[in-house]
Amino acid sequence: EEQLLESGGGLVQPGGSLRLSCAASGFTFHTYAMSWVRQVPGKGLEWVSGISGSGGSTYYADSVKGRFTISRDNSKNTLYLEVKSLRAEDTAVYYCAKHQLAHPYNWFDPWGQGTLVTVSS
Amino acid sequence: VMTQTPATLSVSPGEGATLSCRTSDTVGSNLAWYQQKPGQAPRLLIYGASTRATGIPARFSGSGSGTEFTLTISSLQSEDFAVYYCLQYKNWPPMLTFGGGTKVEIK
Repeated sequence: EEQLLESGGGLVQPGGSLRLSCAASGFTFHTYAMSWVRQVPGKGLEWVSGISGSGGSTYYADSVKGRFTISRDNSKNTLYLEVKSLRAEDTAVYYCAKHQLAHPYNWFDPWGQGTLVTVSS
Repeated sequence: VMTQTPATLSVSPGEGATLSCRTSDTVGSNLAWYQQKPGQAPRLLIYGASTRATGIPARFSGSGSGTEFTLTISSLQSEDFAVYYCLQYKNWPPMLTFGGGTKVEIK
């Protein structure tokens, strides 16, 4: 069974940083692109960032470009998201999700259960 | 831009429901539908505009191409009351785009 487990969320002050992790199991991790998607509590879904299976190509939403960095360690089957210069509007549940191919030009399935990032003083 | 209508749909159990997703640019058949219940991660229902994901009941069907897409639930069961999102994955790079969601609630 394919599984994704996020960690690393928490309460951080505006301007602060966090590193989110997503541990993958049940599939050949390096074969698949991965993405991060976030959801402000009570609101809709927003794609944040994606990375190819090899890690050689990365993509970002305009809202986080320059502040967030996606990466992966295929030897550890783990996806990361470094989030910096955090703002109140970055408060959200952050989900990692698996694409169906090595490039992220396709749908997500499955998703992890999410990790909550709260930006507040 | 992805527009889902209606924002909220009130339906009685056993009735059918039709949800719409419109894209500002043509995306071919590169569209997926997800179901999300409170406190849970989204669940894939449909990909390629009309292909049901593994384990999804036949009462869920997707149709459309280009800019107009529809998710139809033929006879709502209690477990189907949730929020539904469409996702386009053609206009890439630079990003994938979700619709704003349709909440299907009990009438």
